[in-house]
Amino acid sequence: ILNVEQSPQSLHVQEGDSTNFTCSFPSSNFYALHWYRWETAKSPEALFVMTLNGDEKKKGRISATLNTKEGYSYLYIKGSQPEDSATYLCAFGNRGSTLGRLYFGRGTQLTVWP
Amino acid sequence: EPEVTQTPSHQVTQMGQEVILRCVPISNHLYFYWYRQILGQKVEFLVSFYNNEISEKSEIFDDQFSVERPDGSNFTLKIRSTKLEDSAMYFCASSRQGAREQFFGPGTRLTVL
Repeated sequence: ILNVEQSPQSLHVQEGDSTNFTCSFPSSNFYALHWYRWETAKSPEALFVMTLNGDEKKKGRISATLNTKEGYSYLYIKGSQPEDSATYLCAFGNRGSTLGRLYFGRGTQLTVWP
Repeated sequence: EPEVTQTPSHQVTQMGQEVILRCVPISNHLYFYWYRQILGQKVEFLVSFYNNEISEKSEIFDDQFSVERPDGSNFTLKIRSTKLEDSAMYFCASSRQGAREQFFGPGTRLTVL
């Protein structure tokens, strides 16, 4: 069983703070690392799909980095806003799975206080 | 913007009953998936489906489970005889390019009594 771990489990920050969380995954047979943003009662929303070691992706105030050799990815949120409050999930795609079976972490639950 | 839809949003059933969870994937997508999340646990993969057949299934996806694409738009998950431990949020996802970005529906919460 492939293990994906995320930390911290939850995070409470003030509006305007910058924050980051970690996803660790197996460094062998890497194919892709996905980040999702999931608000309660809504569909998980795809943020990034990262495939290359050293990849950095950015979407507005959110960015992510990838280190496939050591098996970790960081998600950064600059200047957090209350609307950033959500659970952030990472998911690992294994090279052995041709159709992209994803292995998920437990998520980091972010709460941004106004 | 196109999205994956799922019905019903919540289903309550008695143990031993059959349930069918329905999904309408994004229209030009060819790859389809079911995942589930038991409360407090990780989202876990059940099955992937392409070209009208199962591509991969997890150890959870036993003979009680089946999937079907009965027409050009729907993708269904059937659980033949539900157990208490099948209670979970079931997510459908679709993708245009297989092992790339997967788009998720909002989920169906299944409660087995």
